[in-house]
Amino acid sequence: KAGVTQTPRYLIKTRGQQVTLSCSPISGHRSVSWYQQTPGQGLQFLFEYFSETQRNKGNFPGRFSGRQFSNSRSEMNVSTLELGDSALYLCASSLGLATGYEQYFGPGTRLTVT
Amino acid sequence: GQQVMQIPQYQHVQEGEDFTTYCNSSTTLSNIQWYKQRPGGHPVFLIQLVKSGEVKKQKRLTFQFGEAKKNSSLHITATQTTDVGTYFCAGPSFSGTYKYIFGTGTRLKVLA
Repeated sequence: KAGVTQTPRYLIKTRGQQVTLSCSPISGHRSVSWYQQTPGQGLQFLFEYFSETQRNKGNFPGRFSGRQFSNSRSEMNVSTLELGDSALYLCASSLGLATGYEQYFGPGTRLTVT
Repeated sequence: GQQVMQIPQYQHVQEGEDFTTYCNSSTTLSNIQWYKQRPGGHPVFLIQLVKSGEVKKQKRLTFQFGEAKKNSSLHITATQTTDVGTYFCAGPSFSGTYKYIFGTGTRLKVLA
């Protein structure tokens, strides 16, 4: 079956703009999580959605938001971009994190803020 | 807050040497998962441990979950250049509120 897909793969934005990233999970997976990965901070958890509800949120400012649709596809939005938001944004899908299922990661979206 | 630390942060080994990374959580984890991320790639699931004291093997990799379910280790015997990458542990914690936590990662470099 098809893996997790993320669009776009690469993005260049200017400081102050906003951006929306998209993630399509593996068919049948209802849990989608988002992560920010930078060389200095490692893999930082942003939030998890399960059946359109946010179940868990990391320690990121309110500029980072997300949502999940009824087909389990998810979007992540970052408003008022800052230079420090430049990172690889990874999406992962699972049958259910809390119930101990593993995550399958997408290839990520590389965001560069100039 | 809840956190999962991994040591060492970096490890360089000669090909053929053994390697171990340790994962220590500040809270009890209901299970622990290990992921490997190759340079330029995304994390890929390796294995999950659920029971206290559980040990699992995958070829040259041995995974262990501590008795208190707060620590874990990954041991690689006779490393190969294909083992290069960053190894992460992760798991759900239900202490107070539900949190899914990723470890800080250990970056392994294997010198041929």
